[in-house]
Amino acid sequence: DAGVIQSPRHEVTEMGQEVTLRCKPISGHDYLFWYRQTMMRGLELLIYFNNNVPIDDSGMPEDRFSAKMPNASFSTLKIQPSEPRDSAVYFCASSAGTGSEKLFFGSGTQLSVL
Amino acid sequence: AQSVAQPEDQVNVAEGNPLTVKCTYSVSGNPYLFWYVQYPNRGLQFLLKYITGDNLVKGSYGFEAEFNKSQTSFHLKKPSALVSDSALYFCAVRDNGYNKLIFGAGTRLAVHP
Repeated sequence: DAGVIQSPRHEVTEMGQEVTLRCKPISGHDYLFWYRQTMMRGLELLIYFNNNVPIDDSGMPEDRFSAKMPNASFSTLKIQPSEPRDSAVYFCASSAGTGSEKLFFGSGTQLSVL
Repeated sequence: AQSVAQPEDQVNVAEGNPLTVKCTYSVSGNPYLFWYVQYPNRGLQFLLKYITGDNLVKGSYGFEAEFNKSQTSFHLKKPSALVSDSALYFCAVRDNGYNKLIFGAGTRLAVHP
């Protein structure tokens, strides 16, 4: 298995632009998580899905952030409009079973908003 | 609310010496505890978990962790450190009643030749 695949690996954009991050979970995994990592705040859970349904989005910072999972093999995290403080590494992770037993992380998307 | 604390930002160890990376937890109910490792420019990788059972949990790459209920600790250990163990280590706890993990701030382990 190729593991969790995220794209792009790096994204540089200007303030105000829309940014879309993509994730393909491991086949057969029914949980998908979006995390954000910064030096100041560490790893923060933004949202997670179970069987393509959003379960907990309490970590989404504000309405500028939205996430979708249209099918079991694809999810997006969108920021519109983007701001410099959104600069971070965004990780997608997937898991099977109860959800939190063992997460498999993608390599992340390094986002820089200028 | 569930939480974990990693009191050390960085741990320095000489190659071949034992290493310990500390983690303490605060939970209501039974703790579900995890350790993950992050190498540069990579996502986190699962090392080991404690759910129930033996207090000494063995994981990947020769790591183990000791669960201590009285001290509410879950320290990560390895008998003999390798330079390749140098990475960022995260302790995590499962949020009570929810299928999500809450991570600590991370501890950077530096193993010197």
